[in-house]
Amino acid sequence: AQTVTQSQPEMSVQEAETVTLSCTYDTSESDYYLFWYKQPPSRQMILVIRQEAYKQQNATENRFSVNFQKAAKSFSLKISDSQLGDAAMYFCACKETSGSRLTFGEGTQLTVNP
Amino acid sequence: DTGVSQDPRHKITKRGQNVTFRCDPISEHNRLYWYRQTLGQGPEFLTYFQNEAQLEKSRLLSDRFSAERPKGSFSTLEIQRTEQGDSAMYLCASSLKLAGGYNEQFFGPGTRLTVL
Repeated sequence: AQTVTQSQPEMSVQEAETVTLSCTYDTSESDYYLFWYKQPPSRQMILVIRQEAYKQQNATENRFSVNFQKAAKSFSLKISDSQLGDAAMYFCACKETSGSRLTFGEGTQLTVNP
Repeated sequence: DTGVSQDPRHKITKRGQNVTFRCDPISEHNRLYWYRQTLGQGPEFLTYFQNEAQLEKSRLLSDRFSAERPKGSFSTLEIQRTEQGDSAMYLCASSLKLAGGYNEQFFGPGTRLTVL
């Protein structure tokens, strides 16, 4: 069974600054995917970034990047040049390659201050 | 195509009543998933279909819950004899599973259920 833990219920950042959201996970499998999803208020969840466990290079998508530490089972999300539209609940998730279900963390509510 | 749609968006019911939710996936997506999200928590997996076959069910899916995907297109999730603990957001997602590789799950807006 896989577990995902987000230890920061809330985070805040000033507009244009950088913020890092933390996530740890546990899985017994060696082949899996990790994700960060964004859930804006009253809107549907969208995928922000994906990391394949077999890849050593950290994924990057524009202002979003991850720090994937496989041995430590850590997967943090860095948001650079934060914008007001980044304000949302962010969920870390894991999916084992052999399975279909996503396992989510508890979420981190990000506030962006103007 | 406008993505995954769910109906209704909100449902208020009294304890003991039955409710049914509908999910329409992205066209041609062969996999469909149901998740439940309680307030302040991340979504929890309930079940998923590949085409019309229900391939996996979570232990969260008690015998009061039933899901169907009769023609491999839309899906329904029914909750019988609702309880206050069933109050949650029910999320649907769909994906296109091809041989090998990763298939992204696209989420709908959810159905928020309130059981009084």
